[in-house]
Amino acid sequence: EPEVTQTPSHQVTQMGQEVILRCVPISNHLYFYWYRQILGQKVEFLVSFYNNEISEKSEIFDDQFSVERPDGSNFTLKIRSTKLEDSAMYFCASSGDRASYNEQFFGPGTRLTVL
Amino acid sequence: QKEVEQNSGPLSVPEGAIASLNCTYSDRGSQSFFWYRQYSGKSPELIMSIYSNGDKEDGRFTAQLNKASQYVSLLIRDSQPSDSATYLCAVIVATDSWGKFQFGAGTQVVVTP
Repeated sequence: EPEVTQTPSHQVTQMGQEVILRCVPISNHLYFYWYRQILGQKVEFLVSFYNNEISEKSEIFDDQFSVERPDGSNFTLKIRSTKLEDSAMYFCASSGDRASYNEQFFGPGTRLTVL
Repeated sequence: QKEVEQNSGPLSVPEGAIASLNCTYSDRGSQSFFWYRQYSGKSPELIMSIYSNGDKEDGRFTAQLNKASQYVSLLIRDSQPSDSATYLCAVIVATDSWGKFQFGAGTQVVVTP
């Protein structure tokens, strides 16, 4: 069964460093998303992406964040200068055609630890 | 701020019994509702979606939606120890453009043998 994959599974970085989290959405999906979940808290929407542009972003998704689909398969989240409070699990999700675009399927996540 | 509210639990359910989970939402314009299951340390896994008032059944799961009262519920019949997880309610809330998923904090379910 097709699935969303994410790499790395765990990323440790120093405060102020740039990180890039990578995702490979389900191959025929058109809509892509990033979420984060701070330990013990709710899943929070960051950004949605369609047709090579951001379609929606939350207040969390400030200028330190960016997303890109550099080729036909990868979808990346970049954090330019990490802060301690960026430590969280980051989930990528994708959804399919317009009729079912609402049903989002999540990858296994990348645990980001900022020291 | 548009909210999605769930009881945090834990909801303790004997094996074989029915687990009943509730979710309320504040955005009256919401049209799409979802239940996800999340095991500790894992990602959310879609259980089912519901878009129309009434019941929708899928195996041991039944989702119920009442837009007038702004609540959506999930019933788990014949609960198994493997159902022990946190259940997340998600709602698409309206925005000026596409809308976005908003998750509740989740209800922890513990199924006891």
